[in-house]
Amino acid sequence: DIQMTQSPSSLSASVGDRVTITCQASQDISNYLIWYQQKPGKAPKLLIYDASNLETGVPSRFRGSGSGTDFTFTISSLQPEDIATYYCQQYDNLPLTFGQGTKLEIK
Amino acid sequence: EVQLLEFGGGLVQPGGSLRLSCAASGFTFSSYVMSWVRQAPGKGLEWVSAISGSGDRTYYADSVKGRSAISRDNSKNTLYLQMNSLRAEDTAVYYCAKVRDVGEPDYFDYWGQGTLVTVSS
Repeated sequence: DIQMTQSPSSLSASVGDRVTITCQASQDISNYLIWYQQKPGKAPKLLIYDASNLETGVPSRFRGSGSGTDFTFTISSLQPEDIATYYCQQYDNLPLTFGQGTKLEIK
Repeated sequence: EVQLLEFGGGLVQPGGSLRLSCAASGFTFSSYVMSWVRQAPGKGLEWVSAISGSGDRTYYADSVKGRSAISRDNSKNTLYLQMNSLRAEDTAVYYCAKVRDVGEPDYFDYWGQGTLVTVSS
């Protein structure tokens, strides 16, 4: 199975800050990497697909990059509504696997 | 508008069985791979199972293989997950999710609201 390691596991930042989350795969997954946002009590929401493509309707302050084993998710200017847990997911191989999540809080 | 609505969660004793259902609407159900993803209380996401659009190919995580069966009824636009020999570690919110593409399981563009399964005596 491909292991996905996210860091940090939690993050506290101020409104307007630039926020960066990393995700590392245990083997090369090309660009088969997804980022989801999950707010408390809600289902996950697709934000970024194929490592760097913004899903329709998602604000442009969200950005993804990387390929191979190392990936980065960035929020350019944190907004209050961005408080959530963020997950990466690989789809290069079954089983589909997720990172452990990064809980983002407002400072 | 795509909608996925799960049913069938609840409290079940260890060793028991449960069948989850997911009613889909707003898209051509039979064209898409569908999947179940679960989330234990306070924990992360875990992919459980997937099924091809026609139902002829099924996929399982090792954690549920041999104890669970995914199926679908395209005439009813409904996805199912039959879970047997349930264990405490199966306690989770179970999400029904639509796979983005029409081929192999990859990623999920729509999710249901989830149904809670609690395995406890």
